[in-house]
Amino acid sequence: EAGVVQSPRYKIIEKKQPVAFWCNPISGHNTLYWYLQNLGQGPELLIRYENEEAVDDSQLPKDRFSAERLKGVDSTLKIQPAELGDSAVYLCASSLILSSGANVLTFGAGSRLTVL
Amino acid sequence: GENVEQHPSTLSVQEGDSAVIKCTYSDSASNYFPWYKQELGKRPQLIIDIRSNVGEKKDQRIAVTLNKTAKHFSLHITETQPEDSAVYFCAASSPPGQNFVFGPGTRLSVLP
Repeated sequence: EAGVVQSPRYKIIEKKQPVAFWCNPISGHNTLYWYLQNLGQGPELLIRYENEEAVDDSQLPKDRFSAERLKGVDSTLKIQPAELGDSAVYLCASSLILSSGANVLTFGAGSRLTVL
Repeated sequence: GENVEQHPSTLSVQEGDSAVIKCTYSDSASNYFPWYKQELGKRPQLIIDIRSNVGEKKDQRIAVTLNKTAKHFSLHITETQPEDSAVYFCAASSPPGQNFVFGPGTRLSVLP
C-alpha cells in the first residue's frame, strides 16, 4: 500500500505567486483532510471532504485558498496569491470510517511551502 | 467547537525513565483520542489510540489513559529510549463528522 501521497514535497515561491498541492489518499478512504502545520505547532484543519463533498471548510481562508476533490479520489489545494504568512507545511490525510465507528487518520509526508 | 490543550510543551527525561504527557479536551461528544509521533521533517504517525468506552490501553512501552468525566487523557512512555525523542501530538475526534482537533504538541527529548 502506497499510503497517502503528496506532491510536491517542497515549494519555494515569491509572494503573490500561485501554488498548488496535490494529494492522493489511501485507496478506498472516503474522507480526505487538508491540514496546515506551522513550525512547532499541531496540525490545523483547513478542509475536510467526505467523498467529493467538502463537509467542513470553515477554517479555509476562501479569499485566497481553494480546494477540490474531483471524483472523490485525489485532491488539489491551491493558494492564489500566496502571502509570506502562508509559509508552512501542508499535510494531507485520509481516513476510512468503518461501520463500527472506528476512524484512523493517516497522514501524507506533507508539502513544505516557503514564500519569499 | 472542540479545543485540545496539551502539557508540557517540552519534556526532557533521562534514558530509561518514564515520560507522561497530558491533554484535556472540551467537547464531551468526543469519543476517539489518538496520539501521534512526529520526528523531525517527517509525517505524524499514529502510535496509540483509545476510544471513550475504554479507560486504559497499553502497547508494549506505551500506554494511554482516559478520564471522560474530567475530559483528560494521558500518554505514558516507560523505559524511554533515545529513539523516543520526537514531538508528540494528542487529538480528539467526535462524531458524526469525525473531525480531528490536535493539541499543540510536546517535544520529548530522551537524554542518553
